[in-house]
Amino acid sequence: DVKVTQSSRYLVKRTGEKVFLECVQDMDHENMFWYRQDPGLGLRLIYFSYDVKMKEKGDIPEGYSVSREKKERFSLILESASTNQTSMYLCASSFRRGRNYGYTFGSGTRLTVV
Amino acid sequence: AQSVTQLGSHVSVSEGALVLLRCNYSSSVPPYLFWYVQYPNQGLQLLLKYTTGATLVKGINGFEAEFKKSETSFHLTKPSAHMSDAAEYFCAVSSTSGGYQKVTFGTGTKLQVIP
Repeated sequence: DVKVTQSSRYLVKRTGEKVFLECVQDMDHENMFWYRQDPGLGLRLIYFSYDVKMKEKGDIPEGYSVSREKKERFSLILESASTNQTSMYLCASSFRRGRNYGYTFGSGTRLTVV
Repeated sequence: AQSVTQLGSHVSVSEGALVLLRCNYSSSVPPYLFWYVQYPNQGLQLLLKYTTGATLVKGINGFEAEFKKSETSFHLTKPSAHMSDAAEYFCAVSSTSGGYQKVTFGTGTKLQVIP
């Protein structure tokens, strides 16, 4: 069974901390994505990557950065966490650039910034 | 530009009744369309997808959706609701632009199933 694994289900961090959210997929997928999910707003794309060491900004990249050093791992970094970054973060992957047959999502990380 | 509108942020049905969740989209190119389901405190799971071909697509758990180009709709249905169907459902549209797939999600519809 294919999997996308997010390292933490729940995380509590302090304002100003640097936060790392890790995502690993075991499907040899080329594409990986980070979304945040907030009530009433649906899913909003933060960053995505179609290849190792490649990254593209999504719709709401401010305050975030990403790293993709290996094909299977895509990390989301909150440079200086703020309370408005309290949210559910979802990682997703899909097979190949230019073809979308659907995403496989991780279980999500619920981040609270206090 | 593309967009997705899900009519009704909350829908309640009785157990055994028809489930109908509405989704309308806009896209300047032929779209791929998806429905995802999210159970509490979990990620999203692909329910079904339309890419090309037959406009009535069947998914998991007895759900199906029909692509109607003239109505720009992709409504999700299930003949008989089960308690286990209680979840949040997301419609999504995907199209290719500049070699990249651009996916836009709707804001979701929470389905409540009443015993």
